[in-house]
Amino acid sequence: DSGVTQTPKHLITATGQRVTLRCSPRSGDLSVYWYQQSLDQGLQFLIQYYNGEERAKGNILERFSAQQFPDLHSELNLSSLELGDSALYFCASSPRTGRGYGYTFGSGTRLTVV
Amino acid sequence: AQKITQTQPGMFVQEKEAVTLDCTYDTSDPSYGLFWYKQPSSGEMIFLIYQGSYDQQNATEGRYSLNFQKARKSANLVISASQLGDSAMYFCAMREGPGNQFYFGTGTSLTVIP
Repeated sequence: DSGVTQTPKHLITATGQRVTLRCSPRSGDLSVYWYQQSLDQGLQFLIQYYNGEERAKGNILERFSAQQFPDLHSELNLSSLELGDSALYFCASSPRTGRGYGYTFGSGTRLTVV
Repeated sequence: AQKITQTQPGMFVQEKEAVTLDCTYDTSDPSYGLFWYKQPSSGEMIFLIYQGSYDQQNATEGRYSLNFQKARKSANLVISASQLGDSAMYFCAMREGPGNQFYFGTGTSLTVIP
């Protein structure tokens, strides 16, 4: 157990639907990062939060949004889902954003859009 | 230009042999961190080893060592005495820049042959 908890582990939903992925960071970690991993695009950075505030945005679609709550857990909302959104979604946490601090990853949520 | 380049999409190694997974990086920042992660078929991302740009010695963690050649901008992962459980995808990553962004390579798939 890495200490980063992601739920659910698997999600199957239909096109056009909306889902919410949840992440609880490792205790004490203030930064949360969301990544999408698909077969053809590798690990794509979506968005970062630090202590409740958005810090950086990557290749996140407008149909996707995220937030980090006061208890530091984070949610990634995916709406108007398309087949191409099927991927493994990772949450990672880090105590700080310095160069010496690596990520601790959650086990991921495997999203299948049918 | 790619920040992290992993030129070996797939590698094979005999059990108990050593294997080197290549990674080159691109940065003009004198301060950066280099990381290796392992992703087995189950999907989770597991941190293996870290090397700071100012570290004089190569990092080692058990059977893992990082061959850090700063002038060549390479950070190869060496796995000694390969085991069947080492079969997985391996990702090289770098953290650098004013935003301490994390950049991942495209990964190398390692297969250990009995």
